[in-house]
Amino acid sequence: GQNIDQPTEMTATEGAIVQINCTYQTSGFNGLFWYQQHAGEAPTFLSYNVLDGLEEKGRFSSFLSRSKGYSYLLLKELQMKDSASYLCAHSGYSTLTFGKGTMLLVSP
Amino acid sequence: DSGVTQTPKHLITATGQRVTLRCSPRSGDLSVYWYQQSLDQGLQFLIQYYNGEERAKGNILERFSAQQFPDLHSELNLSSLELGDSALYFCASSGPGEKVYGYTFGSGTRLTVV
Repeated sequence: GQNIDQPTEMTATEGAIVQINCTYQTSGFNGLFWYQQHAGEAPTFLSYNVLDGLEEKGRFSSFLSRSKGYSYLLLKELQMKDSASYLCAHSGYSTLTFGKGTMLLVSP
Repeated sequence: DSGVTQTPKHLITATGQRVTLRCSPRSGDLSVYWYQQSLDQGLQFLIQYYNGEERAKGNILERFSAQQFPDLHSELNLSSLELGDSALYFCASSGPGEKVYGYTFGSGTRLTVV
């Protein structure tokens, strides 16, 4: 997605907190999604924001500011299994446009 | 198991050949989407079908075509294959309405063109 920007890689330590940022430009915005993808596997849904603010779901939280075209995914109490690519995507009416993903490496 | 079934899981074929990838959506979903994912490109949207009709087209090459059948399964046909077509091809489904509230992805087909 050329109009979605997210960092290419991030590293963090087990037990820590990490924030993955995403900025986007679009018209006809209908929501912002975060997906997790382990290497060679299918993306799996993490969160969905359609209104401004914070959505919390266990160790994962996602924030959206529509006026700024900005979202972040917050991962708490990092575990080794959280090492994966995290994809930000915005939706038009019927399709999702994905960013290239942020590869997160969690080290012991 | 996400409920979206893709076959085959792996495919190795030669340049110039034609292959067909198959996808069965999750029960109750009417939309099927095809995405291509290569190492340096991320998920690229190819095409969407809703209840048998083409609804949206992305960066799909003319050598590629797709259709959705009355039983809602979909096929992606890739012809005159080139080395650069090697990628993971994902199918996703959503529904039953046309407005998307997220996708469910299949496990993908890894295509290798040699």
